[in-house]
Amino acid sequence: SQQGEEDPQALSIQEGENATMNCSYKTSINNLQWYRQNSGRGLVHLILIRSNEREKHSGRLRVTLDTSKKSSSLLITASRAADTASYFCATPTGGFKTIFGAGTRLFVKA
Amino acid sequence: GAVVSQHPSWVICKSGTSVKIECRSLDFQATTMFWYRQFPKQSLMLMATSNEGSKATYEQGVEKDKFLINHASLTLSTLTVTSAHPEDSSFYICSARTSFGRGGGETQYFGPGTRLLVL
Repeated sequence: SQQGEEDPQALSIQEGENATMNCSYKTSINNLQWYRQNSGRGLVHLILIRSNEREKHSGRLRVTLDTSKKSSSLLITASRAADTASYFCATPTGGFKTIFGAGTRLFVKA
Repeated sequence: GAVVSQHPSWVICKSGTSVKIECRSLDFQATTMFWYRQFPKQSLMLMATSNEGSKATYEQGVEKDKFLINHASLTLSTLTVTSAHPEDSSFYICSARTSFGRGGGETQYFGPGTRLLVL
């Protein structure tokens, strides 16, 4: 079963705008990770945020984590057409298994 | 960085045949590998956890006799889809957990995936 649920399911924006995706999860976690997947390709690890962190930055990416609400958000600033992809949050479970959320499909129009 | 490869990248087969997919960690040893299946426009669903030298652990609802997993070495795990049928057509992705780096083992590295089409 999936651990995380994401919204929106799909997002279409203009190049230059910011994109925000949200993820909610069900159980306690040690960390939460965000991945990107281009159509028909494998996953690319974007960022990991630990349970004792509230915010983390990497380039144009900003991730927040609210463990009290069991939610996380991924913000992509100044989006580019190349950011068009599906974005998944993922959380580890017992035995180091990683369970993925449903994903958000982002489309950035040039 | 850690690299995981999969072979083949795509395969088309007739219904009833068996298909083997290889997952290799190229520059690190992976004691644990994971196999996922992804249907179009859906998320990745974990199928099984593969541990070197022992039997794989399958997720609920995944038929272990249909999806045979062999973790032969610290750098190779194989998934064999036996007697494949059209409903098995999907994108199969493996990942490997590293045991090095800060935090050790928190990050999984994913292969590029194998697209299977069963006619």
